[in-house]
Amino acid sequence: RKEVEQDPGPFNVPEGATVAFNCTYSNSASQSFFWYRQDCRKEPKLLMSVYSSGNEDGRFTAQLNRASQYISLLIRDSKLSDSATYLCVVTGNTGGFKTIFGAGTRLFVKA
Amino acid sequence: GAVVSQHPSRVICKSGTSVKIECRSLDFQATTMFWYRQFPKKSLMLMATSNEGSKATYEQGVEKDKFLINHASLTLSTLTVTSAHPEDSSFYICSARDLGAPSSYEQYFGPGTRLTVT
Repeated sequence: RKEVEQDPGPFNVPEGATVAFNCTYSNSASQSFFWYRQDCRKEPKLLMSVYSSGNEDGRFTAQLNRASQYISLLIRDSKLSDSATYLCVVTGNTGGFKTIFGAGTRLFVKA
Repeated sequence: GAVVSQHPSRVICKSGTSVKIECRSLDFQATTMFWYRQFPKKSLMLMATSNEGSKATYEQGVEKDKFLINHASLTLSTLTVTSAHPEDSSFYICSARDLGAPSSYEQYFGPGTRLTVT
């Protein structure tokens, strides 16, 4: 089983749609969770951190369920500029600081 | 947010030559930097953790003699791909943690270096 698994994608949605990405992680000792966005041939950029209480930033809402080891990202009112690959990222400090990236889910938002 | 730079952004080299990639933290000190590689349509894979003033820690399957890492200062880590082969062609990305930041688990990524070995 992969340490971090994401929906395979790609997701093709029209502008204005709501889209949800899911992610699961295998290490229950993981400590911090993030969603990154990566545009084609560019480096990943932090989209938002994920907390158990849930957090929202404009059209983006992230949720963490530690019991189920599950992370989600919801994008409302999709824009063309949201087209990118979304990476679920899990970090922990067991045996040294380590970051594990999910394989990413590609999103295409079409007019 | 903190800024990390990489140089060069793109390099083409011939098989058998060595290539050095620099990673710099521009406005913070980074005792630890990370080197990743990413193949097309694949996720980032951690290659090694670079520690200032000590030897790097390599992930399983990464040859330390092929991917030489030096972290001589708090703002600079270098990755040298020695005797490069076409299969080393990839996107290499470094990142650094700003331990002085509120969330020290956050990593800041360099813009990446695209290596093509012919």
